[in-house]
Formats: sequence, C-alpha cells, structure tokens
Amino acid sequence: EDQVTQSPEALRLQEGESSSLNCSYTVSGLRGLFWYRQDPGKGPEFLFTLYSAGEEKEKERLKATLTKKESFLHITAPKPEDSATYLCAVLGGSNYKLTFGKGTLLTVNP
Amino acid sequence: NAGVTQTPKFQVLKTGQSMTLQCAQDMNHNSMYWYRQDPGMGLRLIYYSASEGTTDKGEVPNGYNVSRLNKREFSLRLESAAPSQTSVYFCASGAEVGSEQYFGPGTRLTVT
Repeated sequence: EDQVTQSPEALRLQEGESSSLNCSYTVSGLRGLFWYRQDPGKGPEFLFTLYSAGEEKEKERLKATLTKKESFLHITAPKPEDSATYLCAVLGGSNYKLTFGKGTLLTVNP
Repeated sequence: NAGVTQTPKFQVLKTGQSMTLQCAQDMNHNSMYWYRQDPGMGLRLIYYSASEGTTDKGEVPNGYNVSRLNKREFSLRLESAAPSQTSVYFCASGAEVGSEQYFGPGTRLTVT
C-alpha cells in the first residue's frame, strides 16, 4: 500500500526566513509525485509534478526536489501570502489513485 | 474558463435523507474524481471515472454512487446520508488518469 508522510505538521516562519517541507513516501513504482497548495475553505491548487529522482521544478519562491525516498518543497524568502497548507501526493503502480499526505500547515508572519 | 465547478457549496442533511452533489469541468478532461477530506485523514478517493462511460470505486466508496453524465459532468449521490458522511467533498479532473488533477472549490456537507 502506498504511503505518504509529511513533516512537520505545522511550521511557523517569519517573513524572509527560508525553510523546507518534507514529503516521505513508500510506493510500488513511482509514476509521479505532486505538490498542491490549499488555502482555508478552498480546493487544492496544483503546483508541481515530479517524475524521477534528481528532478527539480521552480515557481516563484517555491522549489520542489525529488529523491528516491522523499521530496522537499523549499520556500525561499517567504511572504505572508505563502501561508497555506501544502499537500504532497504520489501516484504509484495502480495508475489511477493519488495517495495524499496529511499536509503541512505553513504560517508566515510579517 | 471556470475550471471545475461544484454545487452546492454548503448542505445540511438529516440522517437518512438523500442528495446529489454536482460537478462540471470545462477543460475537456477525460478523467474525473470525487474525494472527501476529513480532519486528520487527508484526502481520500471515493470514486473516479477514467473516461466518459466508465466509473470505478476508490478507497472509500461505501454509501455513495456516481454517474458520469457526459464528458463534462460527474455527480456523486448519497442515497441515505449518515453522520459519518459529514465531510468536505471535492471534485477533481485530469487530462488522463495519472496526470495532475485540478480541484473544484468543494462542498461542505453536514449530516445531523
């Protein structure tokens, strides 16, 4: 059974204080790892897909990286508007089912 | 381009009542999904439709039925609501099974 563990559960940063969120996974044949952002009361918003170890993708202050066991979402010089819950999901050998982690609640204080 | 839309946004039901949650997408996607999100549980797949005319069970299908009405629309029906079905329900769509999914705004359902 595919498993995704995200850490920490919650992270509080000061504006400009860079940090990383972790997504550890166990999957039979990784087909893709997905990062989403979810604001309170809204649906998840797609950020990145990573397919193979060593791959990196960037969007504004966010950079996602992938190894064979985990993915990191690096946040550089965050702003208060980056506050949200960040979700990680993996697509394994079943080819249809995304397995989601429970998310990391990020709060960036001004 | 509205993306994925869901109706209603909020609903309160009494135990035993039935209702249908509606979902539509305008991105010409083939695959559509229904999830529920509960505190501490993360997102869990209820049903999915790989393409028009097909539906399959996900992780937590009991108590639900679905209909893929056409390529754009995918509905979720609760035949006899139970308090355990109190949750936030999200519809999502993707170009193909296995591609990134795009989510709607959600329906917050309370069953008393």
